[in-house]
Amino acid sequence: EVQLVESGGGLVKPGGSLRLSCEVSGFTFSIYTMNWVRQAPGKGLEWVSSITGSSNYKYYIDSVKGRFAISRDNTKNSLFLQMSSLGAEDTAIYYCTRSSGSHDYWGQGTLVTVSS
Amino acid sequence: QSALTQPASVSGSPGQSITISCTGTSSDVGSFNLLSWYQHHPGKAPKLMIYEGSKRPSGVSNRFSGSKSGNTASLTISGLQAEDEADYYCCSYAAGNVYVFGTGTKVTVL
Repeated sequence: EVQLVESGGGLVKPGGSLRLSCEVSGFTFSIYTMNWVRQAPGKGLEWVSSITGSSNYKYYIDSVKGRFAISRDNTKNSLFLQMSSLGAEDTAIYYCTRSSGSHDYWGQGTLVTVSS
Repeated sequence: QSALTQPASVSGSPGQSITISCTGTSSDVGSFNLLSWYQHHPGKAPKLMIYEGSKRPSGVSNRFSGSKSGNTASLTISGLQAEDEADYYCCSYAAGNVYVFGTGTKVTVL
């Protein structure tokens, strides 16, 4: 059974940093592109970042370039999102997804709240 | 990287059919055959319902169907059921190796 479990969310002050993790099981992690997708309160889904299986390529939505860094550890079946210079606009549920053209598996999400 | 355009809400009675549209541009929907649809019940993980425009993953009811023409894609739900009440999002792969989601449509079963 494919499982994706996010962790690391919480309350952080504006300008602060947070590191999200996603542990996966049930498939060969290293061959899949992985993503972070977020949903702000009352808003729609928004793709944030992608990383290819071998970490050769990383992509970001414009609004997080220079502030967020995606990474993975294929030996630990884990995906990460290092977030810095956080602002209120980053408050959201962050989902980890697997993709092969479409986002076929999703985690339950972890909530990040940026507030003073 | 503008969001794809979807109607804010669509409603129908049980047993009826409804269609949700998803309009993009030649840089996303019109250029790639990687258009997918997701069902999202609040508080739960989104679920893939359609991929590559018209294909259904294993386990998804055949009441859900998708199509695409030019820069516009559509999701049709036939034989509407109470359990179909949810938010629906389209998503397209786009130029620059990014993904763009739609604005989302709330489906209400009357």
